[in-house]
Parts: sequence; C-alpha cells; structure tokens
Amino acid sequence: ETGVTQTPRHLVMGMTNKKSLKCEQHLGHNAMYWYKQSAKKPLELMFVYSLEERVENNSVPSRFSPECPNSSHLFLHLHTLQPEDSALYLCASSQAQGHEQYFGPGTRLTVT
Amino acid sequence: QKEVEQNSGPLSVPEGAIASLNCTYSDRGSQSFFWYRQYSGKSPELIMSIYSNGDKEDGRFTAQLNKASQYVSLLIRDSQPSDSATYLCAVNPHSGYALNFGKGTSLLVTP
Repeated sequence: ETGVTQTPRHLVMGMTNKKSLKCEQHLGHNAMYWYKQSAKKPLELMFVYSLEERVENNSVPSRFSPECPNSSHLFLHLHTLQPEDSALYLCASSQAQGHEQYFGPGTRLTVT
Repeated sequence: QKEVEQNSGPLSVPEGAIASLNCTYSDRGSQSFFWYRQYSGKSPELIMSIYSNGDKEDGRFTAQLNKASQYVSLLIRDSQPSDSATYLCAVNPHSGYALNFGKGTSLLVTP
C-alpha cells in the first residue's frame, strides 16, 4: 500500500448505528487530519492530530469521535448520526504544520 | 473569519489554450498556499504548492503568489480535456495545521 488509504470506501448506516472509519498513511508523516466535504460547501476541517496528540478540532458534534493510536493510523467513530451528516469524509496527512497535505480516497457516508 | 474565495465557474477553455484560475484570501499572515485538483467523485490531489512571492513552474502548471495583494493563481498551459476538474485553492494561516479551502473552480476543457 502506498500513500493514504481509507476504509470503507462506501458506508450506509442508520441513525442508531455505530460505525468506524479507518485511515492509514504510509508516508511517514507526523500529522493526520479528518475533513468533511459536503455538496456546495468547502472542505471543512474536523480534527487534527500531530504525533498522536489532538492539536486542533473545530466545533464538531460529539457524535463524531476521533482516535489516533499511533502516527500512522486514524479512526473516526460514528454514532447516532443525522441525515445531514451524509458526506464524503476525507483523511489526509502531512509531514508537519504548514506542509503539503495528501488525501486518501475518502469514505462516502450515507445516513438513512 | 479566514476566507478563501474562488470563482465557482464553470471556466470553459478550448483544448490547447491557457486556463487561468484565481484565488484570494483574507488572512494576511498566511504562509503556505496549495492547489488541488479534484475529479468528480474522487478525492483532492495536490498539484502545486507555493510559499514565496513570484512564480513557480512545474510542467504545464505555474502557480503565482502575490502576498501584498493576497492573491494566488494557477495557470495551466496547453490545456487538455483530462484537465477538466474542480480546482481547489487551499491556504495555511500563519499559525495552526489547518488548511482553509475555497469552494473550487470548475474547469471544462473542450476538444
């Protein structure tokens, strides 16, 4: 595997389900990110981890819970989502603050 | 509010022409600037980064940065139909890890 990988690529879940998105980077980077991309809106940063510590998080509802067990892996745990949470969820990584960010293929999430 | 503004387009250019994509940003302290290409249904792909005033060329792509005017642009020479995509401008503010993205400009290269 090379670059940034994400699983699953597609996910359909009910509002009462619990699921997790997984991201893995094979670039030796120190920072990892979760972004949300909805139609007609710019990419929105959700969470940032640097060396496994959360360094930034925007105002994200608590139904989204990130986890970074090591510098190569990042998870986004989902529970009791709303239909408006349907979007493309993108993981990215970078060497450091201010450096290029490289994106994974994304998870297309649909909440029914 | 740290904003990045782009014309949503679509910008239509004939094959072989130069496509010019523009972006303005509001945070005067911004340090790093990036252009991403995103095909429909795909994730953003980094195509250029620029950190200092002036031009930076990479193949058919040239990024231009003017920090005094808070303006960054991307020129695509000899445009090809395969360049048809949405181009996202991203700006890293003077502090923090986040990139602030514009909404993107849709480019259509017609044969």
